[in-house]
Amino acid sequence: EAGVTQFPSHSVIEKGQTVTLRCDPISGHDNLYWYRRVMGKEIKFLLHFVKESKQDESGMPNNRFLAERTGGTYSTLKVQPAELEDSGVYFCASSPLAGVVGTGELFFGEGSRLTVL
Amino acid sequence: AQKVTQAQTEISVVEKEDVTLDCVYETRDTTYYLFWYKQPPSGELVFLIRRNSFDEQNEISGRYSWNFQKSTSSFNFTITASQVVDSAVYFCALISTDSSYKLIFGSGTRLLVRP
Repeated sequence: EAGVTQFPSHSVIEKGQTVTLRCDPISGHDNLYWYRRVMGKEIKFLLHFVKESKQDESGMPNNRFLAERTGGTYSTLKVQPAELEDSGVYFCASSPLAGVVGTGELFFGEGSRLTVL
Repeated sequence: AQKVTQAQTEISVVEKEDVTLDCVYETRDTTYYLFWYKQPPSGELVFLIRRNSFDEQNEISGRYSWNFQKSTSSFNFTITASQVVDSAVYFCALISTDSSYKLIFGSGTRLLVRP
């Protein structure tokens, strides 16, 4: 069974450009999360989808970030326009509908490293 | 407020040494869950363990063991007879109703096991 896959693995862009990160969760997982690790600090929550609906987007830094989850399958996270402080590793994770508490696991992808110059 | 502190930024040991990674957490909730994840050089986050707040029994899995102590709000992770393949960044994390069931991560401890 395929795990959580993320694309691209690494993106280098200039300040002001746009980048779109994609996440394909494990098939059948209704919960999809985005997290971010900036500059070697802790990994921070960005947002949570349940199927195609945004359950919680309290961690989104500002309106330059837009997340979507088409048809409750894959998700995209767009940064437009990108700023220097957006550099970091963006992780996607998925879990079954019972959630992290119910199943005990949150399956993470390998992350997308974003470098903004 | 919820917080996870991993005071050790980086630890370097020689292979076969035992090493303990510290994790201290803060939460007002009485029901919570604690996790450890491993991030190897390949980048993905690998789930290692979950403990709930009502189960203070220590757990051992092969060379890995975890010591959960509510009295000190700690959930420490020990690797016995470390191996080079254990080199990675290790994250401790907390989830509770106070955190709206979002994982709160510590800043991670980078472990380097030298041959």
